[in-house]
Amino acid sequence: QKEVEQNSGPLSVPEGAIASLNCTYSDRGSQSFFWYRQYSGKSPELIMSIYSNGDKEDGRFTAQLNKASQYVSLLIRDSQPSDSATYLCAVKGNAGNMLTFGGGTRLMVKP
Amino acid sequence: EAGVAQSPRYKIIEKRQSVAFWCNPISGHATLYWYQQILGQGPKLLIQFQNNGVVDDSQLPKDRFSAERLKGVDSTLKIQPAKLEDSAVYLCASSLPLGLTEAFFGQGTRLTVV
Repeated sequence: QKEVEQNSGPLSVPEGAIASLNCTYSDRGSQSFFWYRQYSGKSPELIMSIYSNGDKEDGRFTAQLNKASQYVSLLIRDSQPSDSATYLCAVKGNAGNMLTFGGGTRLMVKP
Repeated sequence: EAGVAQSPRYKIIEKRQSVAFWCNPISGHATLYWYQQILGQGPKLLIQFQNNGVVDDSQLPKDRFSAERLKGVDSTLKIQPAKLEDSAVYLCASSLPLGLTEAFFGQGTRLTVV
């Protein structure tokens, strides 16, 4: 069973701080990595994708991938109360394009 | 571009009844996923289609759940008979068939079994 692990949180950060969310995965053959944001009562919304080792920046969001350590992270700079949500890490395997999700980390940004 | 459409949005049924959910993926998306999300947990993959063929259904409780995608577009997920533990949000997602592509979700169907 391919697994994706996340700390469930909640992770509490003050407004304006950097929030750091982490994810590990078990399948070494994984090729694609995604971060989704899910507000309470809503469906997951894609915010970042990353496919190669290193950093990828998009506005206040930076995704980091280290395939050797089987680790992917999401940094949110200048955190805002509107960033308060559950962040889901998802990994797509090499065979069959199965998309497996972690349990999510709940982020709380306090004004 | 239209997103993934799902219906109904909400459904309340009694245990042992049957229920069906419908999904229409984004146009051109050959890959379709059905997920079950129990409150406080991440989405759990139930079944994945590539066109009208099943890629993976290893976590689908086949004694009560079934799914089909007859023409490679719309899909239906059915539960018969429902149990209390089936109360969850059922999410449909779709993506292009290539490996390095994102999946996009519909609004989901919230099922309550009483």
